[in-house]
Amino acid sequence: GEDVEQSLFLSVREGDSSVINCTYTDSSSTYLYWYKQEPGAGLQLLTYIFSNMDMKQDQRLTVLLNKKDKHLSLRIADTQTGDSAIYFCAETRGSARQLTFGSGTQLTVLP
Amino acid sequence: KAGVTQTPRYLIKTRGQQVTLSCSPISGHRSVSWYQQTPGQGLQFLFEYFSETQRNKGNFPGRFSGRQFSNSRSEMNVSTLELGDSALYLCASSLEIDQPQHFGDGTRLSIL
Repeated sequence: GEDVEQSLFLSVREGDSSVINCTYTDSSSTYLYWYKQEPGAGLQLLTYIFSNMDMKQDQRLTVLLNKKDKHLSLRIADTQTGDSAIYFCAETRGSARQLTFGSGTQLTVLP
Repeated sequence: KAGVTQTPRYLIKTRGQQVTLSCSPISGHRSVSWYQQTPGQGLQFLFEYFSETQRNKGNFPGRFSGRQFSNSRSEMNVSTLELGDSALYLCASSLEIDQPQHFGDGTRLSIL
């Protein structure tokens, strides 16, 4: 199975909060990232958190990390139609630099 | 500040040919990594370069190769193309080895 898992789809109403979840299996994860991909585009780095942190907030984005359960979440406040995209969770492990990605969550924001 | 630039954006090749993709990192970034994105396998790491040296390589056959130049620009080459090589190839750069990676818009490679 995948080392990083995400649910495939999420739909929310415009103005509501969105919560995208991710679980990982490797306890040596050092950094955990959230990337956004819009159609026809590459990956946009949204935010990242070091594994010894519990929470990080950046404007409308809040990242929560539960290291015991190996669970990462991304909360988007006041979700807008422009937030519709695929969101990828990714990790780096130990001294390795390569990103290991989840399968991505397609976020659809309904008017 | 310009982002990561990948050229060309789209490419169509036939089986058996070879292809070279180019990546210009963000100015001042010295580390470049390459990833392959397909619907079936998702995002997979190809290789990473720093100071013109390959530091890490993913689980891809030897037909996939790359290099980095003294100005940090990077190229990847795929020889003897197969239908399964059809993918979006993404390049990412970071300031130093342990810094977050920023991606370009990718090269969409289609094999006929």
